[in-house]
Amino acid sequence: NAGVTQTPKFQVLKTGQSMTLQCAQDMNHEYMSWYRQDPGMGLRLIHYSVGAGITDQGEVPNGYNVSRSTTEDFPLRLLSAAPSQTSVYFCASSRTGAEAFFGQGTRLTVV
Amino acid sequence: KQEVTQIPAALSVPEGENLVLNCSFTDSAIYNLQWFRQDPGKGLTSLLLIQSSQREQTSGRLNASLDKSSGRSTLYIAASQPGDSATYLCAVRTGSARQLTFGSGTQLTVLP
Repeated sequence: NAGVTQTPKFQVLKTGQSMTLQCAQDMNHEYMSWYRQDPGMGLRLIHYSVGAGITDQGEVPNGYNVSRSTTEDFPLRLLSAAPSQTSVYFCASSRTGAEAFFGQGTRLTVV
Repeated sequence: KQEVTQIPAALSVPEGENLVLNCSFTDSAIYNLQWFRQDPGKGLTSLLLIQSSQREQTSGRLNASLDKSSGRSTLYIAASQPGDSATYLCAVRTGSARQLTFGSGTQLTVLP
């Protein structure tokens, strides 16, 4: 019963470095999304996908890229990390419009 | 733009009390509303999902209600326990892409 799996759990980056946060789900959900959670700001949508090959921007997409080559995987790429991207990142999946399931999060610090 | 508000931001109660957490949203054209629990440093655990056509959902000691026309939902927790201490988040799904919009949460502390 893996559900939604995120890796890594923790990461420290230097400003300007790039990295990919991984997200995989084994529930055959068509809908996947990435959020960031910051103190006082709640969870904000970064990017989402309604199916393989289809992605779109959410509320705070700048500095992030996504792709969806398979139903199971939805990686989030930080192109050039900035201290403002220090946050906790959550991946979620669901059937379209149905109950959402979240991963355990990736805590990212950019120094 | 959908906005979700949760009141209160924090709540502290003695063990055994029944309590109500509130969630309000500005756009009543929602597909569903979901309540989550988040423990410190952890992910979100789904508690209850209410479809837009439903009025309430129950799971154990939890009961969530939905009044779509007034833009309100409540989460009722019966006979609270210290293990219920966590942050409770409300989220509504709206829009053509059926996005989730979250409230900022209510931090609940149940004192032994």
